[in-house]
Amino acid sequence: GNSVTQMEGPVTLSEEAFLTINCTYTATGYPSLFWYVQYPGEGLQLLLKATKADDKGSNKGFEATYRKETTSFHLEKGSVQVSDSAVYFCVHNNAGGTSYGKLTFGQGTILTVHP
Amino acid sequence: GAGVSQTPSNKVTEKGKYVELRCDPISGHTALYWYRQSLGQGPEFLIYFQGTGAADDSGLPNDRFFAVRPEGSVSTLKIQRTERGDSAVYLCASSLAGQGTDAFFGQGTRLTVV
Repeated sequence: GNSVTQMEGPVTLSEEAFLTINCTYTATGYPSLFWYVQYPGEGLQLLLKATKADDKGSNKGFEATYRKETTSFHLEKGSVQVSDSAVYFCVHNNAGGTSYGKLTFGQGTILTVHP
Repeated sequence: GAGVSQTPSNKVTEKGKYVELRCDPISGHTALYWYRQSLGQGPEFLIYFQGTGAADDSGLPNDRFFAVRPEGSVSTLKIQRTERGDSAVYLCASSLAGQGTDAFFGQGTRLTVV
């Protein structure tokens, strides 16, 4: 079935460190891939997305590349800030059929950045 | 409205009671989704509406759970005979089209069954 597997957390980094959160997925067809973020006390927000193979999504210094051959969508940032502390979710949607709007979430990775 | 609004933000109920959770999507969004998020987990899909009809209700865990969207806007998630295992944050999201792209989430309703 469709699933998303994320690197387990929590992840603790110092400010300006490099961040990688690994994500792999299984899905039928050709889903779109997303990273959602949940800041403390706030709702889920779309961080970035990629809709086809080899696309790179980017936003707020974060990047992720849709790798169809490895079914991966790893999240990276070159220099994290304290304000990046949040829970990050890797997500895909079902491609085609009546469930096109259905999102499948990973379990989430808690990121804490210290000054 | 400016965003997806969910009410109440918190609900505590006794085991066996009936509860209703409300979602007010972004104006003009035809697609509406309900998800459930247990502690330490990612959200899990419950049901998806396109307009007034449920296009996919495959995520509803059992027949105690039901959702409606009678006028294609506000939706209500209804849980009968609540159980302690129903305790979770219930999230609602909406989007312009039923494609999952750029779905906007509400802050959720935290349901606690005691």
